[in-house]
Amino acid sequence: DAGVIQSPRHEVTEMGQEVTLRCKPISGHNSLFWYRQTMMRGLELLIYFNNNVPIDDSGMPEDRFSAKMPNASFSTLKIQPSEPRDSAVYFCASSSLAGSHEQYFGPGTRLTVT
Amino acid sequence: QKEVEQNSGPLSVPEGAIASLNCTYSDRGSQSFFWYRQYSGKSPELIMSIYSNGDKEDGRFTAQLNKASQYVSLLIRDSQPSDSATYLCAVNREGSYIPTFGRGTSLIVHP
Repeated sequence: DAGVIQSPRHEVTEMGQEVTLRCKPISGHNSLFWYRQTMMRGLELLIYFNNNVPIDDSGMPEDRFSAKMPNASFSTLKIQPSEPRDSAVYFCASSSLAGSHEQYFGPGTRLTVT
Repeated sequence: QKEVEQNSGPLSVPEGAIASLNCTYSDRGSQSFFWYRQYSGKSPELIMSIYSNGDKEDGRFTAQLNKASQYVSLLIRDSQPSDSATYLCAVNREGSYIPTFGRGTSLIVHP
């Protein structure tokens, strides 16, 4: 079975540009999580979707960040405008509500904002 | 106060030894506990989950949970250089699908 798929794997952009990160969860999983990981702050939860509905977005840093999940197989995380402090690795993870809360992570997107 | 605490390490052990990784948590309502392994430059990978007090074994890995003392540990027997990674502890409150992650412990297994 395919795992969580993320694209792009690497993104380099200039400050002020819009960045869109994409995620396809594992088929049949109905919970999706976006995380950001940096050396300074570790792994931070940005937003959590349950059955395509955003349940907890308290981790979204500010209005420049937005996330959508238009259907069960696709989610996006958008940063507009991007800033150098947004440089980090962004992970998407999915889990099954009927399961044991175990999360499965995608390979991540390494974002560099210059 | 951090909700899930881990010693950042690095924890250095010789090949073949037992590596012991510890994690403490503050929420007594926590019900689900997980260990993830993260190699440098890679994503976290689930290696163990435990939900009740006691030990759970899977191959060379043993997870230990003590809810009264609010700690969970991971033992790696016969450590191999390929076990060198950062190990993240994650804890879910009862009824919550949102885990709280520790900062991770770096493990180095030297030949």
